[in-house]
Amino acid sequence: GENVEQHPSTLSVQEGDSAVIKCTYSDSASNYFPWYKQELGKGPQLIIDIRSNVGEKKDQRIAVTLNKTAKHFSLHITETQPEDSAVYFCATRLSNTGNQFYFGTGTSLTVIP
Amino acid sequence: DTAVSQTPKYLVTQMGNDKSIKCEQNLGHDTMYWYKQDSKKFLKIMFSYNNKELIINETVPNRFSPKSPDKAHLNLHINSLELGDSAVYFCASSQGLAGHTDTQYFGPGTRLTVL
Repeated sequence: GENVEQHPSTLSVQEGDSAVIKCTYSDSASNYFPWYKQELGKGPQLIIDIRSNVGEKKDQRIAVTLNKTAKHFSLHITETQPEDSAVYFCATRLSNTGNQFYFGTGTSLTVIP
Repeated sequence: DTAVSQTPKYLVTQMGNDKSIKCEQNLGHDTMYWYKQDSKKFLKIMFSYNNKELIINETVPNRFSPKSPDKAHLNLHINSLELGDSAVYFCASSQGLAGHTDTQYFGPGTRLTVL
């Protein structure tokens, strides 16, 4: 099965700085890579996603990059704000397993005002 | 309107009891899921249903039994609760199976505490 590793597990940055979270995966059949943000006491919420035919995608202060050869993808948050503080999860979906998602272990991001 | 809702939000019960968690989605999605999130925040798929049919059943004790009365509902029934069942359980839904509409929408979670 798929194995998704996520680093770092915790990350503290000063407000205004950038934050980068990295994930690696093992199965080359993975073709969809979403990122979720989970705020305290809430369910994960999709913030950005990328598909295997795209190398980079940007949405305002958030960007995701994908390197299929190396089997890794990263989340980049620029100009961080205190409200970006949350737990972030990467995930992958294998193209041959219906809609089964495999999640990373999460990164707790703290943005210090 | 809440897209994916779960009840109850908190559930505290004694070991050995039987309990149910309910989930409803009003998005018209065909696929629904149950995830378990442990104390270390690790999210693990438990079950997935598509149009009321079970399509994913991970290695979960058979004390856990999902029930889908219609495609908008996926309830989770747990028999003989154990201490290790304490976790946050999330329901989620997505449009369908493999395809371009992959986004999963999560409910707010149910925090289950077994005493």
